[in-house]
Amino acid sequence: QQPVQSPQAVILREGEDAVINCSSSKALYSVHWYRQKHGEAPVFLMILLKGGEQKGHDKISASFNEKKQQSSLYLTASQLSYSGTYFCGTELSNTGKLIFGQGTTLQVKP
Amino acid sequence: SQTIHQWPATLVQPVGSPLSLECTVEGTSNPNLYWYRQAAGRGLQLLFYSVGIGQISSEVPQNLSASRPQDRQFILSSKKLLLSDSGFYLCAWSPPYRALYEQYFGPGTRLTVT
Repeated sequence: QQPVQSPQAVILREGEDAVINCSSSKALYSVHWYRQKHGEAPVFLMILLKGGEQKGHDKISASFNEKKQQSSLYLTASQLSYSGTYFCGTELSNTGKLIFGQGTTLQVKP
Repeated sequence: SQTIHQWPATLVQPVGSPLSLECTVEGTSNPNLYWYRQAAGRGLQLLFYSVGIGQISSEVPQNLSASRPQDRQFILSSKKLLLSDSGFYLCAWSPPYRALYEQYFGPGTRLTVT
C-alpha cells in the first residue's frame, strides 16, 4: 500500500525551512528517506525504526510518530544543493522490501 | 568499499524486441538485490527482489523477468518489450541478513521503447 507524501512540490528561497510528510494507513516497520537529483539515482538520507524517534544530520532531520504511521522530513535553512525529489520508502514488516511514495519535488532558489 | 554498476546507461529499443539489463555489485557478499522502475516524473516501483542466487521474488506481474546467476549479478530481461516498459530502471543492493539497512542505488538505465 503506497504511502502518501505531501506536499507534492515546494519552492523555497535559500535559508527557508521545509517539511515533507509521509503517511500510511497502516503501522509501519520502518521509514526510509531518499533524495533524487534530476536524472540521477536516489541517495539514502536516513532510516527511522522506532515510534517517537527523531534523527538527523547537518540541517536535515526526520521524525517518526508514536503510532508509526507518519514520518516527517525537516529541511532547515535550505541550501541550493537541497533541490531534488524526496521519496519516503516504507516497510510494513521486516522484509527489506520498500514501497515508495510518489515523491515531493523541492526547488530551492537563490 | 562497495560499488554498484549498471549497464547500459541508455537504451532505445523497438516494440517487440528483447531486453537484457545487467547489474553487478562489488565489495560485498550475498547482498540483497532489487530492480526498480521509475516512469517519468513518478515514484519508484519495486519489480524484483532477491536474497540469494536463484531466489527471486516478483512484485509486479508484467512481461519482465529477473535472474541472479551469480552472487553479485542481477539481470532484468524481457522477451518482447512493450511501449509501457519505457522508464528509468534502477538496481539497488542492501547488506544481507536483513536488519534495517539502507539501499544503495546504481546509476540506472534509461530505456525508451519506440
